[in-house]
Formats: sequence, C-alpha cells, structure tokens
Amino acid sequence: KAGVTQTPRYLIKTRGQQVTLSCSPISGHRSVSWYQQTPGQGLQFLFEYFSETQRNKGNFPGRFSGRQFSNSRSEMNVSTLELGDSALYLCASSLDDSGSSYEQYFGPGTRLTVT
Amino acid sequence: KNQVEQSPQSLIILEGKNCTLQCNYTVSPFSNLRWYKQDTGRGPVSLTIMTFSENTKSNGRYTATLDADTKQSSLHITASQLSDSASYICVVTGTASKLTFGTGTRLQVTL
Repeated sequence: KAGVTQTPRYLIKTRGQQVTLSCSPISGHRSVSWYQQTPGQGLQFLFEYFSETQRNKGNFPGRFSGRQFSNSRSEMNVSTLELGDSALYLCASSLDDSGSSYEQYFGPGTRLTVT
Repeated sequence: KNQVEQSPQSLIILEGKNCTLQCNYTVSPFSNLRWYKQDTGRGPVSLTIMTFSENTKSNGRYTATLDADTKQSSLHITASQLSDSASYICVVTGTASKLTFGTGTRLQVTL
C-alpha cells in the first residue's frame, strides 16, 4: 500500500498570502489529522477529520482551516500568513477515529517558509 | 492541564552503547502511549503503542516500558546504531482521542 502523501513538499510564501496544503491518506483510512511542528513547540495538533467531519480541533486561530473530501483526501488552508506560521506541517491517517490502539501513519510533511 | 514531559532534551552516545529515554505524563484518563522516531525532515514513524494494561513492548532493539501508576514511560535502545540518530517523541492519548505530544528527545549516535 502507498503511504500517506503530502503535496507540496516545500513551499515559500510571503506574509499576508494564503496557502493550501494537501494530504492523501493511506487507502482505506478515513481519519486524517493535521499537525504543526516547529523547533520550539514540537508537534502541535491542528485538527482531525473523519468521514468529512471535523472531529477534534486544537488551539489554533481561525486562520487555520481544513476540510476532508468524500475520498478521505484532506486539505488545510492558512490565510493571512504570518512569519510564525513557518513550520513543518504533518498529516497523519488512521483506520479509526477513536484513537484507541489504531496506528497513526504520518506523511513526510510540507515545509512552509513564510518570508 | 494535560502534559507530556520528555527527558533528556538531547543525548549523545557512542555507537554500540545502550540508552534510555524518559517520558512523564499527567494525561488523565489515559488511553494509550506511543513512541515515535522522527528522522530529520521526515514524518514520525511509530515504534510502539501501549495500552493501560501493558507494561513492556519491544520492537527490535527498542523496548518501551509503561508504569501507569506513576505515569512514566521509558524507551530503551539497545546496541545503538548510527541510524538511531533521530528525535524520539512520546505521545499520550487521553479522552475523546485527544493526543498530547512531548517535545521529544534528540538522540545523536556517534562513532
């Protein structure tokens, strides 16, 4: 099976612009979660989608939004970019949304640089 | 507040040596605890996942232990290799599938 794929892998944007990142989960996985990773803060949870519905949300401003399509592919959007949004954005998929013992599989991430 | 604290923050060891990484958490109630390995510039890869009733779980040279009473976990790496150089992240799942991440331990294995 193909793993989790994320596009693009690298992105450079200017302050004030907006950006859309894409994630394709492993085939059959219906849960997709997004994370922001920075050197100082580590991994921080953005949101989780299951069957096109947002199930959990982290403590990020409304500039960060996401959605999931019927084929489980997911996108996240960041509007009005700030320098502090520079980070590695990771997507993870799993079979189940309960987070019990189901494994989360991470993609390689999208490295976003805001100048 | 749910927290996961990892120690040490960074570690340098010689190839072939063993090492132990620590994870203390305050997440309650607790569903499971996972250890991930993250190579630089890559996404995290799962090493082990343990539920409340499990004390030890191994994955090759990696052995994780869990003491749910003291809310502590450790990851022991045996006979380290250069390829073990990475960040190791402890993640605890609490209520409503909420994940709390540690900030990781950065391990460097040298010759």
